[in-house]
Amino acid sequence: GIQVEQSPPDLILQEGANSTLRCNFSDSVNNLQWFHQNPWGQLINLFYIPSGTKQNGRLSATTVATERYSLLYISSSQTTDSGVYFCAVERRTSGTYKYIFGTGTRLKVLA
Amino acid sequence: SAVISQKPSRDICQRGTSLTIQCQVDSQVTMMFWYRQQPGQSLTLIATANQGSEATYESGFVIDKFPISRPNLTFSTLTVSNMSPEDSSIYLCSAGQGAGTQYFGPGTRLLVL
Repeated sequence: GIQVEQSPPDLILQEGANSTLRCNFSDSVNNLQWFHQNPWGQLINLFYIPSGTKQNGRLSATTVATERYSLLYISSSQTTDSGVYFCAVERRTSGTYKYIFGTGTRLKVLA
Repeated sequence: SAVISQKPSRDICQRGTSLTIQCQVDSQVTMMFWYRQQPGQSLTLIATANQGSEATYESGFVIDKFPISRPNLTFSTLTVSNMSPEDSSIYLCSAGQGAGTQYFGPGTRLLVL
């Protein structure tokens, strides 16, 4: 099956720093989403980004589907950005679809 | 977007027992899914809950252990049967309104003693 690897696995930043998280996938995908799992375990949709670049405030994401990777940029990080970031790739089969999650990047932002 | 609720939010169970987790969506959705997240790990898809038919299970998950129901387009249940401590995880329900979107419930934290 498809492999979805994220790097780095762990990241510690000082408040105000910038970071780039990477998601590599081993096969072609139909779509890709980025999620943030906050310290209470809730998963929050960040981006739906099958290709191209999107921005939402301090966050932006880029997916290069032909090269099988996606990047999530966090600028001017805040302590509330702490948590785990997951990418998830969509695979379609026989008229249905499912999401395969990446290995995750655990981010801690220090005040 | 869809708002998803799960019950119970957490539970502590004895080995050998079963627990049924409920997932309610505030609107009709095409797809519903169940995931497991073991401590410190990523999410693993257990099955796709199909409305009016048997769920589609991923490799490594079987119906006898994780029976799933989906009686309508807004509700699903997952039962964790004959539990062992290895079943201690967060169980998450998600719903999709067509390809490209997926929303998650708050999860059910299960501890099996």
